[in-house]
Amino acid sequence: NAGVTQTPKFRILKIGQSMTLQCTQDMNHNYMYWYRQDPGMGLKLIYYSVGAGITDKGEVPNGYNVSRSTTEDFPLRLELAAPSQTSVYFCASSPTTGGMETQYFGPGTRLLVL
Amino acid sequence: AQSVTQLDSHVSVSEGTPVLLRCNYSSSYSPSLFWYVQHPNKGLQLLLKYTSAATLVKGINGFEAEFKKSETSFHLTKPSAHMSDAAEYFCVVSDAGYGGSQGNLIFGKGTKLSVKP
Repeated sequence: NAGVTQTPKFRILKIGQSMTLQCTQDMNHNYMYWYRQDPGMGLKLIYYSVGAGITDKGEVPNGYNVSRSTTEDFPLRLELAAPSQTSVYFCASSPTTGGMETQYFGPGTRLLVL
Repeated sequence: AQSVTQLDSHVSVSEGTPVLLRCNYSSSYSPSLFWYVQHPNKGLQLLLKYTSAATLVKGINGFEAEFKKSETSFHLTKPSAHMSDAAEYFCVVSDAGYGGSQGNLIFGKGTKLSVKP
């Protein structure tokens, strides 16, 4: 199993551009998550999904959108990139509710908005 | 609301000496607690988790943590540090309450562990 994969690894965006961060998992997990990690901070939850077709906001959803059309894929969309969105983005998955379950993380996407 | 405080942003130890990374939590419920490790330019990996079973939890790579309800602490320890332990460590609490509500993770700010030869 590849686990959780993310593309791209690194991207530079200009202010106002848009992009989609891709996330795929091959573990048949129902739950998927997007986090951002800013320097010196822990991860903050952007959006999560409890299954195909169901998504919900996390702590910091503004400026982002998600969709979950399949169990495997959970893309994160930035519509109008802003410097405040410079961060490292991690996708994660877990088999059931994250309350007691281990979350499995991808390697991250480093995004720089200039 | 659940929260977690990692008391040290940076800990430096010599190889072969003990490691102690401190974490205090705040939770309205009986918490689920985790330690995750992040090696440079890598994703996070679970070290260990506490889910109301044994209070002393053993994890991978010789790490363990003890849940102390009276002190609201969940400190991470290892008897002897190895160079490969150099990484950032995150203490995490789940915000799941009773009744199976969505258990999202609340992360501490992280503790960077340096290991000197």
